[in-house]
This record gives sequence, structure tokens and C-alpha cells, in this order.
Amino acid sequence: DQQVKQNSPSLSVQEGRISILNCDYTNSMFDYFLWYKKYPAEGPTFLISISSIKDKNEDGRFTVFLNKSAKHLSLHIVPSQPGDSAVYFCAARGLDNFNKFYFGSGTKLNVKP
Amino acid sequence: DTGVSQDPRHKITKRGQNVTFRCDPISEHNRLYWYRQTLGQGPEFLTYFQNEAQLEKSRLLSDRFSAERPKGSFSTLEIQRTEQGDSAMYLCASSLAGGGSYNEQFFGPGTRLTVL
Repeated sequence: DQQVKQNSPSLSVQEGRISILNCDYTNSMFDYFLWYKKYPAEGPTFLISISSIKDKNEDGRFTVFLNKSAKHLSLHIVPSQPGDSAVYFCAARGLDNFNKFYFGSGTKLNVKP
Repeated sequence: DTGVSQDPRHKITKRGQNVTFRCDPISEHNRLYWYRQTLGQGPEFLTYFQNEAQLEKSRLLSDRFSAERPKGSFSTLEIQRTEQGDSAMYLCASSLAGGGSYNEQFFGPGTRLTVL
């Protein structure tokens, strides 16, 4: 039961342009969403999050948008840098269980110099 | 380094053998989680502890898997009679309950298990 889906396994973007990574979810009980970034041979590292009471959260070059009616969230990276090349995971947590995160399958971002 | 650490980083074993992995969380974190990640997938929740109490186990955690956190600090994950399907990256994460940051989980580098 894949409750969090990232339908794009990979994305390639030119340095300086915008990267948009997408994530869809099915569980209406999810109230908190996170993006993690993962480099090879390392564990995922927290990047940015958003609560379901908001529709946008911004942190420097990273902005997450949440569309609850569509059960969709996206991560925008502007401007993209080669160091952003990594696998990005979307994760969600439900009101019924604060400790259980559901992860998507990840999108591999390649930012070309 | 005050992050989450895991040992070993890699483990190759033969089918039928037992393996044990260790996770050391961030020292002040009272919650500890185990995840499994297979190729092309995101991390899947296995179990979590609050202090020494194991509070939830996923149905993914078969009877061959056991996790402990005896003193509420480090944790071990043991897999008995390993099968080739157990080959995966095993990730540990920790968080601070009631930290006011929605229980953000900090991950270790993982232990990659290969069962031959």
C-alpha cells in the first residue's frame, strides 16, 4: 500500500534553473510532510517540511508547496546547483501516528553544470 | 561526530546465517527507529522505541527479526536465518519526543546487508 508516491524516478536540470520535484499521497489523515535529501553512502538528511495547516513553506532556495485538495506536494529548488544532485524523498506522517513516516520511492535529481 | 551512527556499514553473509546490526542514536534522543530500504524504494518503517520500550512493529518485521534497546540508548537489530530477500539497506533514525519540531527524524548512514 504505497501511500506516498513519487512518480518521477529521475530529473535532470541545468544549473541555475528551477528544479521541481513532485509527490502525491493518498491518505487524508496525513498532517505533516517532509522532504529528505540523500547522497550516496549516506543516510537521508532532513531538508524542509510543511504542516497541513499551511500551503507553502520557504527556506532559502527551497520551497515546498502543499495542495491538500489534490493530495499533492512539490519541492522547488531555485536556483539549482550541482551540489543539489542527490535523491530526494518525500515523506508523510499521519494524525493517527506521529512516529510512523511513510516515504516515497525517491527522485534522483541531476543538476548539470 | 554527534550524529546517528550505525555499525557495520556493510555486511555480507550466507543464507541461513544470523546477523546483528547496531545503532547509536543522537545522545539526547529518546526515540529510535529502524527502517529498511530496498533498491529503487524509499525507507520502509520496521519498528520504533521510546526509551527502552518497543512501541510499534511493522508487519514487515517477521518472526526472524528482533530489535532491542536494552538501556534506552543504543539499539540492535538481529535477523535470524537470513534469506536472500533480506538483502537491503537497514537505516536507523532517532528523534526527540516533544521537541516541538514534529519529531523530525535524523538518520544514520545505514548498514547494507547482502545475503548470498
